[in-house]
Amino acid sequence: GEDVEQSLFLSVREGDSSVINCTYTDSSSTYLYWYKQEPGAGLQLLTYIFSNMDMKQDQRLTVLLNKKDKHLSLRIADTQTGDSAIYFCAERGTNAGKSTFGDGTTLTVKP
Amino acid sequence: NAGVTQTPKFRILKIGQSMTLQCTQDMNHNYMYWYRQDPGMGLKLIYYSVGAGITDKGEVPNGYNVSRSTTEDFPLRLELAAPSQTSVYFCASNRQGRDTEAFFGQGTRLTVV
Repeated sequence: GEDVEQSLFLSVREGDSSVINCTYTDSSSTYLYWYKQEPGAGLQLLTYIFSNMDMKQDQRLTVLLNKKDKHLSLRIADTQTGDSAIYFCAERGTNAGKSTFGDGTTLTVKP
Repeated sequence: NAGVTQTPKFRILKIGQSMTLQCTQDMNHNYMYWYRQDPGMGLKLIYYSVGAGITDKGEVPNGYNVSRSTTEDFPLRLELAAPSQTSVYFCASNRQGRDTEAFFGQGTRLTVV
């Protein structure tokens, strides 16, 4: 079945850039998503990218997609303490309804 | 719109007890899902539904049942609670289509003792 993998932890200093990486196996993935989960809350969509795009930028967020290597990354510029959360990568492929989620990357931002 | 609403927020069950986790959405979404999130882990799909009257198993369906009699509601039933079902449960929904955002409820924290 489909699989999505992420590194589990990332720690950065406030003001630095954060890069969270994700790999996926489903070559038919058409949309890839980044969700953010704050403590005690559900997941909220941050951004998504269509598989025919290489890059998408949205304010401090930059998503890079390497479809050949099935690698997705999320860059957060000027990381703030409020960015501390768990970030989930997800893909949606041949089954238009179901998403497959990674295990999440816990981002810790130190002042 | 209230979005996706889950009740209860917290629950403690004894081994062998039963309960139903409620989920309702007011966005007229076709697709609804139940996930569980164990500590330090990602989301595991329990069951999903692509429309009223249609449900299907996800990765970890054992010990659970669902029904979808209306578009709005997708309750998750635990018949004989076991300690392994201690987890945070999330309900989610999205409209049909691959480019659509999934909306999540706030979660139900269940402890089985």
